[in-house]
Amino acid sequence: DQQVKQNSPSLSVQEGRISILNCDYTNSMFDYFLWYKKYPAEGPTFLISISSIKDKNEDGRFTVFLNKSAKHLSLHIVPSQPGDSAVYFCAASDLYSGGGADGLTFGKGTHLIIQP
Amino acid sequence: DAGVTQSPTHLIKTRGQQVTLRCSPKSGHDTVSWYQQALGQGPQFIFQYYEEEERQRGNFPDRFSGHQFPNYSSELNVNALLLGDSALYLCASSLTNFAYMNTEAFFGQGTRLTVV
Repeated sequence: DQQVKQNSPSLSVQEGRISILNCDYTNSMFDYFLWYKKYPAEGPTFLISISSIKDKNEDGRFTVFLNKSAKHLSLHIVPSQPGDSAVYFCAASDLYSGGGADGLTFGKGTHLIIQP
Repeated sequence: DAGVTQSPTHLIKTRGQQVTLRCSPKSGHDTVSWYQQALGQGPQFIFQYYEEEERQRGNFPDRFSGHQFPNYSSELNVNALLLGDSALYLCASSLTNFAYMNTEAFFGQGTRLTVV
């Protein structure tokens, strides 16, 4: 039973446009959410996070939105650049309610392709 | 500043054998987590070590065990290997702060284990 779902295996976006990656979760205990980016032959790289007390967090070109009632989060990348082409993983944990340990539950990932 | 380092990078083992994977955390980090990533899937949490003890565990059988040393480095041991254990094994390090909360995890490149 997948607790974190990324329903789009791949997404193609033109350079300069907005990329929107979506993620849904089912576990109400999740209170901390992260996005990781992964290039081939490398480990995942942390991008941005958000706790459940917020509904938006920005860092440069990256913004994460959290809709707790819908159990949905999204990552917006504006503007999209060729170097953004990678696999993006959504991850969640019960960091605050679970005693501080952050064993992450990951989605299957979305392969983002930025077209020139 | 060295990031998270894992060894070996690739490994081939026979079904039924035992394997040990190693991880050195990022400088300044004291907490190590291990993940298994099968092909086409997101990473799955195996367990987390802090203060040389297993702090949190995912849904993996007892064949998967670990250890953390006083210098914070860690080992993942898998006994009685099955073909289904073939995967990329990722180590992530983080810092547990004064509030017993983890900071964001940094991942190593992973060890590619093939069981034949």
